[in-house]
Amino acid sequence: GAGVSQSPSNKVTEKGKDVELRCDPISGHTALYWYRQSLGQGLEFLIYFQGNSAPDKSGLPSDRFSAERTGGSVSTLTIQRTQQEDSAVYLCASSWGGQAYGYTFGSGTRLTVV
Amino acid sequence: GNSVTQMEGPVTLSEEAFLTINCTYTATGYPSLFWYVQYPGEGLQLLLKATKADDKGSNKGFEATYRKETTSFHLEKGSVQVSDSAVYFCALRLDYKLSFGAGTTVTVRA
Repeated sequence: GAGVSQSPSNKVTEKGKDVELRCDPISGHTALYWYRQSLGQGLEFLIYFQGNSAPDKSGLPSDRFSAERTGGSVSTLTIQRTQQEDSAVYLCASSWGGQAYGYTFGSGTRLTVV
Repeated sequence: GNSVTQMEGPVTLSEEAFLTINCTYTATGYPSLFWYVQYPGEGLQLLLKATKADDKGSNKGFEATYRKETTSFHLEKGSVQVSDSAVYFCALRLDYKLSFGAGTTVTVRA
C-alpha cells in the first residue's frame, strides 16, 4: 500500500483482557518494527522483523507481549492479560533494509487499559 | 551502546524567530542520522536525514548538518511559523535499528 496502515486506531480494553494490534507495512518493505510511545518514556523499541523472522525481540517488556509476521507482510502484536501500564501508543514502521533509509511509520494504535 | 541526547523542551517561540534544537549522539559505528517530526494528533514523519559526515539534510526550511567531530546533528530553521508547532525527534540508525532521542516539544506563537 501507499503507507503503513495500523488498526485499530484506538482500543479501550479492560485490565486482564488480551488485545491484538495489526500492522500492514508498505509493500516490498522487508523490515518491520514495533515501537511503543508513552508519556515520559519516549519512543521505546519493541521488536524487529526481517521477512517473517524476528532477529531482535529484545524490547518486548514481558512474556505477555508477542508478535508475528506472516507472508513477509502483515504483522500482529499481541498483548495478553493487559495491565494499566500497557496503556500507550503502539507504532509500527517499515523500511528498506539499508541503514541509509529511515523508517516509515503508521499512525499508531492508542491502547487504553481501564 | 548507541544513544541520542537532544535538548529538553518545551521550547516556545514567536513566529519568524530562529529555531535551534541541539542533538548529540553516541554510536559504536558510523550511523545515519535523522530528524522526525510529530504534529499534534499525527504520526511520526521523516523530516530530513544525513548519511555521512558533513552531509546537510534539508526539508521545509529546516536544515541539519552531520558533524562527526562533535557527534552532533543540530536542527535549525531561520523563520518558524505557527504550523511548525510539533514534537521533534532526533534519531540515529546503525544497521537495522533506529534509536531516538526523547523529543523536543516546540510551540510557535502567532
